[in-house]
Amino acid sequence: KAGVTQTPRYLIKTRGQQVTLSCSPISGHRSVSWYQQTPGQGLQFLFEYFSETQRNKGNFPGRFSGRQFSNSRSEMNVSTLELGDSALYLCASSRGQIQETQYFGPGTRLLVL
Amino acid sequence: EDQVTQSPEALRLQEGESSSLNCSYTVSGLRGLFWYRQDPGKGPEFLFTLYSAGEEKEKERLKATLTKKESFLHITAPKPEDSATYLCAVQAWDSGAGSYQLTFGKGTKLSVIP
Repeated sequence: KAGVTQTPRYLIKTRGQQVTLSCSPISGHRSVSWYQQTPGQGLQFLFEYFSETQRNKGNFPGRFSGRQFSNSRSEMNVSTLELGDSALYLCASSRGQIQETQYFGPGTRLLVL
Repeated sequence: EDQVTQSPEALRLQEGESSSLNCSYTVSGLRGLFWYRQDPGKGPEFLFTLYSAGEEKEKERLKATLTKKESFLHITAPKPEDSATYLCAVQAWDSGAGSYQLTFGKGTKLSVIP
């Protein structure tokens, strides 16, 4: 069974630009969650999508947004990039029920210059 | 506010030297505690899920245990390939968000020296 895939793996952008990251979940998984990982803050929850609807949201500004498609693939968008947005962005998928394990992708490393 | 604290932040062991990593949490209504392993530049890899106090799970040289306040990841006779950052995460009801949230600790970086 194929794992969670994320594209692109690496990205370099400049301040003020916007970026879109993509995540394909494990086949049969309907929930996709996004996390930001930085050395100082660790893993922080951005949001979760389930059946094309945002089900949970973390404490991030509105510049961070996402969506989910009917095939469960998800995209995350960050507008007006700031230097502090440099991080590893991880997505995780699960079948969507409470207590279910989330399985992570390899992440997208974003560097904002 | 819910908190998940992992200790120590970093641990260096000689190959074969057993030890334990700690994950303490202050949440109400714990639904599950998850352990992950993360290698540099990669996404976290799932290890264990524990649901209730007293539960234990084992996989090769790793054993995870859970009490009402904390979880331990015991590493028996570690090898250099066990070197990684170990993350724990707690799933609990977040009244502010009105939903179940998964909160991660900052991890313990384990180095096993040959």
